[in-house]
Amino acid sequence: EVQLVESGGGLVQPGGSLRLSCAASGFTFSSYEMNWVRQAPGKGLEWVSYISSSGSTIYYADSVKGRFTISRDNAKNSLYLQMNSLRAEDTAVYYCARVSDSSGYYSFDYWGQGTLVTVSS
Amino acid sequence: SYVLTQPPSVSVAPGQTARITCGGNNIGSKSVHWYQQKPGQAPVLVVYDDSDRPSGIPERFSGSNSGNTATLTISRVEAGDEADYYCQVWDSSSDHPGVFGTGTKVTVL
Repeated sequence: EVQLVESGGGLVQPGGSLRLSCAASGFTFSSYEMNWVRQAPGKGLEWVSYISSSGSTIYYADSVKGRFTISRDNAKNSLYLQMNSLRAEDTAVYYCARVSDSSGYYSFDYWGQGTLVTVSS
Repeated sequence: SYVLTQPPSVSVAPGQTARITCGGNNIGSKSVHWYQQKPGQAPVLVVYDDSDRPSGIPERFSGSNSGNTATLTISRVEAGDEADYYCQVWDSSSDHPGVFGTGTKVTVL
């Protein structure tokens, strides 16, 4: 069974840093592209970042570029999101999501349960 | 940046058909995916590549895409279909390619 389990969320002050992790199991993690998607309280889904299976290709949303860094450790079956210079508007539930290999056009077939990041003083 | 626009809400009686639109410039040239999200839960993929269904998704969920509008159709609506629905595309021409629609709340009357 495919499982994605996020961790690392919590309360952080504006300007602070946090590192999110996503532990993957039930599939060959190193073969799949991955994403982070977030959802502010009461708001819609916002794509945050993408990383290819090898880690060689990375994309970011304009809202986080230069502040967030996506990475992965295929040996540990883990995806990460390093978040620096956090702002109040970064407050959200952060999901990791797997890119489907049934679709040729980057749909997300499995999602974690999410981890809440709250940026507040 | 590519923008996807959805109606904020759609209301439908049980047993009827709900249609949720997703508007974008020449969206018919892209592949559209749809997600269902119930309160407190992670999104679930219900339609991918315009009209394909993942394993386990009922045939009542179908999709189409042409011109400037993609549509998710839910036939014979059930109370359990009440949820938020989001469209999504991958804009390969962009360096920030992931795009979600604004979301539609489906209410079953």
